[in-house]
Amino acid sequence: AQSVTQLGSHVSVSEGALVLLRCNYSSSVPPYLFWYVQYPNQGLQLLLKYTSAATLVKGINGFEAEFKKSETSFHLTKPSAHMSDAAEYFCAVSSETSYDKVIFGPGTSLSVIP
Amino acid sequence: DAEITQSPRHKITETGRQVTLACHQTWNHNNMFWYRQDLGHGLRLIHYSYGVQDTNKGEVSDGYSVSRSNTEDLPLTLESAASSQTSVYFCASSRVQKGLYNEQFFGPGTRLTVL
Repeated sequence: AQSVTQLGSHVSVSEGALVLLRCNYSSSVPPYLFWYVQYPNQGLQLLLKYTSAATLVKGINGFEAEFKKSETSFHLTKPSAHMSDAAEYFCAVSSETSYDKVIFGPGTSLSVIP
Repeated sequence: DAEITQSPRHKITETGRQVTLACHQTWNHNNMFWYRQDLGHGLRLIHYSYGVQDTNKGEVSDGYSVSRSNTEDLPLTLESAASSQTSVYFCASSRVQKGLYNEQFFGPGTRLTVL
């Protein structure tokens, strides 16, 4: 069965430090992969997506992610954390049966320490 | 601007009561989804619809139902609320574009507490 794992339910970084949020997936077909961000008391919004073009994907707010097929990973990074980056981040993979459905990981809560 | 709204934003109910959560989108999207969000589980799909009169069960559909009588709305009904259904519920919608991933747009969520 398809699944998404996110290592670390909570990550803390200092302001200005590198942000690295880890995501691994399982899929029997070439996947589409996504990162969504959820700010407090809000719905999710798409941060970036991989759809089989370039393996390094750039998203909004300075985030980027790299698709590594051999490692079945899609880790999210940002060179320098801002206080405004504090949020919940979800990795997701497209369903094997339908492009219209996605399977979400459990989420990683990012805290940014001043 | 097009948007997706949910109501109510907060709801407290008692075990055994029927509860309906509303979702309304003005994107004119054919696809609509209901998820529940619980700590440690991320978002899990409850029901989804690909168009008017179409509904499908997701991975956690027991105890929930939906109906799609028009493009804009997909209400979620808890037939007999249980404490295990205390959660945050998100509605989402996406357009149809065959063969491509269609980005889902999410509503702000409804926090439901079942006492």
